Amino acid sequence: ETGVTQTPRHLVMGMTNKKSLKCEQHLGHNAMYWYKQSAKKPLELMFVYNFKEQTENNSVPSRFSPECPNSSHLFLHLHTLQPEDSALYLCASSQGHPGATEAFFGQGTRLTVV
Amino acid sequence: QKEVEQNSGPLSVPEGAIASLNCTYSDRGSQSFFWYRQYSGKSPELIMSIYSNGDKEDGRFTAQLNKASQYVSLLIRDSQPSDSATYLCAVTNTGTASKLTFGTGTRLQVTL
Repeated sequence: ETGVTQTPRHLVMGMTNKKSLKCEQHLGHNAMYWYKQSAKKPLELMFVYNFKEQTENNSVPSRFSPECPNSSHLFLHLHTLQPEDSALYLCASSQGHPGATEAFFGQGTRLTVV
Repeated sequence: QKEVEQNSGPLSVPEGAIASLNCTYSDRGSQSFFWYRQYSGKSPELIMSIYSNGDKEDGRFTAQLNKASQYVSLLIRDSQPSDSATYLCAVTNTGTASKLTFGTGTRLQVTL
């Protein structure tokens, strides 16, 4: 079992659907992140949670809604997505204290919006 | 706009050779530097981190940092076909992982 687990691994959804991505980390970290990875583009940071509090929203459209009920779990709720939102969505975690700069990634969810 | 630049490749090296991957960054305040390896269809895996000027060696991997030139590199000695992957450079200017900026990655192909 990896330290950061994401489900589902693959998701196909229509533009009117509502779905959620789930991430769970078993590393005892306090910070969790959502990244988007599109072809030919750098990893884009979407949201950061530190000790369950959202500390970063990188100008992400409201059709993406994160939720962090505790330091081990992170969700990304999706609704009325667009085809250009198709990408690999990666969850990551790290220690939350200053000086903790190493982030560890989950396997990702390959999202296709049709 | 803080940027991390990498040549997208592919960089092709024969098995047993040294692969040299390069990365430049624009933010002079960057403090921490990382190399991630990403196999096709998989998630990024942290393989090296470096925080001060000079070289850092870990097995077949050596990370090199030159803050004056805003340049970080990764050398892979005795390259193996299993090293074929995309290598992502990431930097942060803070003391936490929350501000990581990634490059687009360099695809490495190790040929037999």
